[in-house]
Amino acid sequence: GAVVSQHPSRVICKSGTSVKIECRSLDFQATTMFWYRQFPKQSLMLMATSNEGSKATYEQGVEKDKFLINHASLTLSTLTVTSAHPEDSSFYICSARSGARYNEQFFGPGTRLTVL
Amino acid sequence: SQQGEEDPQALSIQEGENATMNCSYKTSINNLQWYRQNSGRGLVHLILIRSNEREKHSGRLRVTLDTSKKSSSLLITASRAADTASYFCGVIQGAQKLVFGQGTRLTINP
Repeated sequence: GAVVSQHPSRVICKSGTSVKIECRSLDFQATTMFWYRQFPKQSLMLMATSNEGSKATYEQGVEKDKFLINHASLTLSTLTVTSAHPEDSSFYICSARSGARYNEQFFGPGTRLTVL
Repeated sequence: SQQGEEDPQALSIQEGENATMNCSYKTSINNLQWYRQNSGRGLVHLILIRSNEREKHSGRLRVTLDTSKKSSSLLITASRAADTASYFCGVIQGAQKLVFGQGTRLTINP
């Protein structure tokens, strides 16, 4: 199957700093990428959908100025958590969909963010 | 959850027994997908069932879909310790958003 990578896998930062998480589709072109957040023992909550070359579409309740998403190429999307606070600590998972295999969505391994 | 309920939320069984998880959804769908997540990891796609299908098999997995009740079930037969994970059903909302139920945490006891 197609592979999606995320970097870093784990990050610890101080409150007030910004953190960037990268999501890459390694062997396919991802026309659409998705970012999810998952709190312990809970489900994945969709944060935003991004199509290559256009602005991301954010879900209700997700602050677009706080969670900056860039999908500048067909293989890379980035999520920047700006001015992170302890309540932003979570597991962030990206997902990518190929235009050719529309029904299939491939997930990255996730990034554990801890804000002190 | 963003799209519905799953039950049970947690299930603990002995190795070799069958495990059944249920999922309900709210909207009309073209297909429903089941995913598995090991602790602290990403999701792995298990199986997709289309809205015009009632049952689908893949190895030890059996999925059913009842569109009239807006529900699906995932059966894992002859469970193994390695099946311990969380299982999520997901449906597409709108044109492209895949959203998930609350998930079932499955524990297989050796």
